[in-house]
Amino acid sequence: AQSVTQLGSHVSVSEGALVLLRCNYSSSVPPYLFWYVQYPNQGLQLLLKYTSAATLVKGINGFEAEFKKSETSFHLTKPSAHMSDAAEYFCAVRDGEAAGNKLTFGGGTRVLVKP
Amino acid sequence: DTAVSQTPKYLVTQMGNDKSIKCEQNLGHDTMYWYKQDSKKFLKIMFSYNNKELIINETVPNRFSPKSPDKAHLNLHINSLELGDSAVYFCASSQFTDTQYFGPGTRLTVL
Repeated sequence: AQSVTQLGSHVSVSEGALVLLRCNYSSSVPPYLFWYVQYPNQGLQLLLKYTSAATLVKGINGFEAEFKKSETSFHLTKPSAHMSDAAEYFCAVRDGEAAGNKLTFGGGTRVLVKP
Repeated sequence: DTAVSQTPKYLVTQMGNDKSIKCEQNLGHDTMYWYKQDSKKFLKIMFSYNNKELIINETVPNRFSPKSPDKAHLNLHINSLELGDSAVYFCASSQFTDTQYFGPGTRLTVL
């Protein structure tokens, strides 16, 4: 079964500082990996996805993530945090077709941005 | 032009009642999902339907019954509501193996 671990349930950064959110996965098949963001009282919005093309994936709002197979990681970064980045971030891995393509999510990381 | 919509957004009810949550997508997708997000923000798949056919039923109590009248709709009916059912329920859709797009969520509170 697939699993996802997000290190750190809370991350606090200063405005303008680097944002780094960690995600490690386990998968028995080549993984399809996703980062979603959830703003307060809203649904999940796709930030970016890895689908076995380039290992460095660029997403919306200045975020990017790097797939490292040897480390089974898919960490999310943004060079300079904005106040608007305060939200909950979820890493997810997608099961294969035999398992119905369901998403298995990590526990989420809440980002707080300090002025 | 909302892609995935859910109604209602908030649902407050008493234990033992029966309630439904509706989901509609206008993306032309063939697969729809229900996820549950608990009070600790943990997200877990409940069901998925592909072309109105049940694909995933993830050890959910049989008090929960999804219904897909057509490809664009996936409703969730819950019988005999319990306190532990309080959560945010998200509907999502995808073109089978492609990216899943989520609705805004329905916050269910059982008193």
